[in-house]
Amino acid sequence: DGGITQSPKYLFRKEGQNVTLSCEQNLNHDAMYWYRQDPGQGLRLIYYSQIVNDFQKGDIAEGYSVSREKKESFPLTVTSAQKNPTAFYLCASSPLGPSSTDTQYFGPGTRLTVL
Amino acid sequence: QQQVKQSPQSLIVQKGGISIINCAYENTAFDYFPWYQQFPGKGPALLIAIRPDVSEKKEGRFTISFNKSAKQFSLHIMDSQPGDSATYFCAGRDFNKFYFGSGTKLNVKP
Repeated sequence: DGGITQSPKYLFRKEGQNVTLSCEQNLNHDAMYWYRQDPGQGLRLIYYSQIVNDFQKGDIAEGYSVSREKKESFPLTVTSAQKNPTAFYLCASSPLGPSSTDTQYFGPGTRLTVL
Repeated sequence: QQQVKQSPQSLIVQKGGISIINCAYENTAFDYFPWYQQFPGKGPALLIAIRPDVSEKKEGRFTISFNKSAKQFSLHIMDSQPGDSATYFCAGRDFNKFYFGSGTKLNVKP
């Protein structure tokens, strides 16, 4: 059963804590992405990675960090420096290459709430 | 700077009617335009997609119309059903980065 898994589905964090959101894919996709979605808004890119051990900042990277040690895994850490972390976090993956017609595939999301 | 502008923000349609959602873009490097459907609490799922060398693509009740010269594209949902009630996002791809519209919340009334 191929796809993208995210865990946990719900996460509660106290102020000042770092938390890590998991994202795993078995689609053999080279590229992986993290987005943040706020109520009634679109998707904003946090970080993306096109190859193992390499990643780039997206539009709202401040207060977040990532790692890409394995092709299938792209965890996101929400640090205490992120001022307003309560949101729905989506992980996605896609094949690489401008000729590819494949699009991004999304995981089920993690809802993070800061208490 | 929003690279893909989507309208309307919300849409109410009667069952059996046609739902139309519009998107406009500026980046001529976009080479692929997907539409996603998202239900509350779920991740977006690919609905239909088009490349800029095609003016229209139809899959069942869903049709994308694409106007390259105007840099606009739209999603038409024919015979809209209550089960179509969801948020819809358009997007454009520039190499390996995707840029999303702000979403349209569709409510199909029975």
